[in-house]
Amino acid sequence: DTAVSQTPKYLVTQMGNDKSIKCEQNLGHDTMYWYKQDSKKFLKIMFSYNNKELIINETVPNRFSPKSPDKAHLNLHINSLELGDSAVYFCASSHTFTLGPGELFFGEGSRLTVL
Amino acid sequence: AQSVTQPDIHITVSEGASLELRCNYSYGATPYLFWYVQSPGQGLQLLLKYFSGDTLVQGIKGFEAEFKRSQSSFNLRKPSVHWSDAAEYFCAVGPSGNTGKLIFGQGTTLQVKP
Repeated sequence: DTAVSQTPKYLVTQMGNDKSIKCEQNLGHDTMYWYKQDSKKFLKIMFSYNNKELIINETVPNRFSPKSPDKAHLNLHINSLELGDSAVYFCASSHTFTLGPGELFFGEGSRLTVL
Repeated sequence: AQSVTQPDIHITVSEGASLELRCNYSYGATPYLFWYVQSPGQGLQLLLKYFSGDTLVQGIKGFEAEFKRSQSSFNLRKPSVHWSDAAEYFCAVGPSGNTGKLIFGQGTTLQVKP
């Protein structure tokens, strides 16, 4: 029973298209994250939601729009895709951050390739 | 600014040999420290964490790490490496600000020779 699941696992698309990645966690956590891992494997946080409220919004182009319909789901929509958006996007979840940073549970990643 | 440095981008060890992966951090207060492992095509899995108390922490898969405040280090060790340990290893520190955000190092790729 997968704890953090994200779909799709692979996504190949053309520049200029719009795409979405979905994430769901069944751990009962109330904080969820999107991380971007670039070609050099560097992991950088993009967004974090706590109980459906946006709490972290790093310097990310506004073409990226997260949405959390409930605390178990965090989706990422990307408009007007660019070549530089090619990366692996990881969803993660943890208990509430107000207790200090807890263990992050990661999904398996969604590899986005923009042609 | 908070930061994490993993000085070794790539390390190769022979199976059965000991392993030490280095991690140095820059943080204004007592940090929370983590080591994660990423197997090929997989997400990240927590190996161990340090919040407070005993500076030598034990993790899964036979790994341990030692927090040394004076050296701002949190090095990961394993006495005898197995071929299945070949993976990418990430050190992380937090929290950053009041959001619980973790900052990750750039990772160390471990290759294990038979």
